[in-house]
Amino acid sequence: AQKVTQAQTEISVVEKEDVTLDCVYETRDTTYYLFWYKQPPSGELVFLIRRNSFDEQNEISGRYSWNFQKSTSSFNFTITASQVVDSAVYFCALKEASNFGNEKLTFGTGTRLTIIP
Amino acid sequence: GAGVSQSPRYKVTKRGQDVALRCDPISGHVSLYWYRQALGQGPEFLTYFNYEAQQDKSGLPNDRFSAERPEGSISTLTIQRTEQRDSAMYRCASSLVGQRGQPQHFGDGTRLSIL
Repeated sequence: AQKVTQAQTEISVVEKEDVTLDCVYETRDTTYYLFWYKQPPSGELVFLIRRNSFDEQNEISGRYSWNFQKSTSSFNFTITASQVVDSAVYFCALKEASNFGNEKLTFGTGTRLTIIP
Repeated sequence: GAGVSQSPRYKVTKRGQDVALRCDPISGHVSLYWYRQALGQGPEFLTYFNYEAQQDKSGLPNDRFSAERPEGSISTLTIQRTEQRDSAMYRCASSLVGQRGQPQHFGDGTRLSIL
């Protein structure tokens, strides 16, 4: 069965500090996809990034970077030089891809990030 | 372009009433998904469609919950004889195709409160 664990329930950092959000996943599939979503205080759920299981390259997008390590089943998210607008709940999600028709995303419980001005 | 649109944004109803939640996906998106999100939790999968065909309804909690997408576009999630435990945020998402890890794009959700 697929499972996503976000052990950090809440994190608070002072503006301009770097912060890393942890995500650990469990799956028996060899083909799968990992995602990060952002849920700001306004409540919408915004897609940030997708990574497939065959691509372990780290990715950087502006102040955001993602570190995917299959050896530790982790897909961590780092925000550099945090800003108040980064305050949100961040969700990591997993989709197994080996079974046709299994399209559900399994989400972690989320990490609430607060950036203190 | 317009994102996923859900209506109503808020719904308050008395226990025992039926409710219908609507989702209008992004134009051209083949796949449509329903999730339920309890407070402080991540979304949990309910069901999904490719075009008008319901492909997986394994996440629907019981037979009071049903969903349809008759013309392959707008979808309705119906909850009959609502109970207080049905109170949650109901989120709809859509994607280009249901295969190969296409990201699911979510609407703003319907906050359902059962009194």
